Amino acid sequence: GNSVTQMEGPVTLSEEAFLTINCTYTATGYPSLFWYVQYPGEGLQLLLKATKADDKGSNKGFEATYRKETTSFHLEKGSVQVSDSAVYFCALSLTGNQFYFGTGTSLTVIP
Amino acid sequence: GAVVSQHPSWVICKSGTSVKIECRSLDFQATTMFWYRQFPKQSLMLMATSNEGSKATYEQGVEKDKFLINHASLTLSTLTVTSAHPEDSSFYICSARDWDRLSGANVLTFGAGSRLTVL
Repeated sequence: GNSVTQMEGPVTLSEEAFLTINCTYTATGYPSLFWYVQYPGEGLQLLLKATKADDKGSNKGFEATYRKETTSFHLEKGSVQVSDSAVYFCALSLTGNQFYFGTGTSLTVIP
Repeated sequence: GAVVSQHPSWVICKSGTSVKIECRSLDFQATTMFWYRQFPKQSLMLMATSNEGSKATYEQGVEKDKFLINHASLTLSTLTVTSAHPEDSSFYICSARDWDRLSGANVLTFGAGSRLTVL
């Protein structure tokens, strides 16, 4: 079947620390991969995406590379800020009609 | 970019009443919308897929008579929680599928969510 596995949180980092949130997937085809971010009390926002192997999605200093050989799409940021505190969801889509989400990883950045 | 508007953002109602939540795609047509429920500090639970002009497809365990979904136009889907009870209190989020031309992929655009509190 199709599924997404994310590292469990919560994650707490000091400002300017390096961030990695692991995401691996299982899919029956060639999925598109996404990272969504949810700030407190809000809906989800698309952070970045990649549609084929070796593609790198990037936005707001965040990056993730579509690794087919390891079925991974890890989220990274070199220097986190307090404003990055949120819940991050990894997701995949095969046909565009069904999206599979990970359980979410809560990130708290402290000054 | 694509925008999805969800209304109301916060609603409090008495037990036994019905509440309607609207989800609108503002600058694109959405043949497919999705409704999710999110419990505190938990992930999204897909409730149903809403298809314009046809019946919604409900996920296993979701009562379709309890959570009525209507997708009457290409820009509007509604979720009605009928005879609401305190256990229906939750954060409900809608999303609409949109085609991203740059990447050639479907992406989901989410509404801001609606927090329902049933007294």
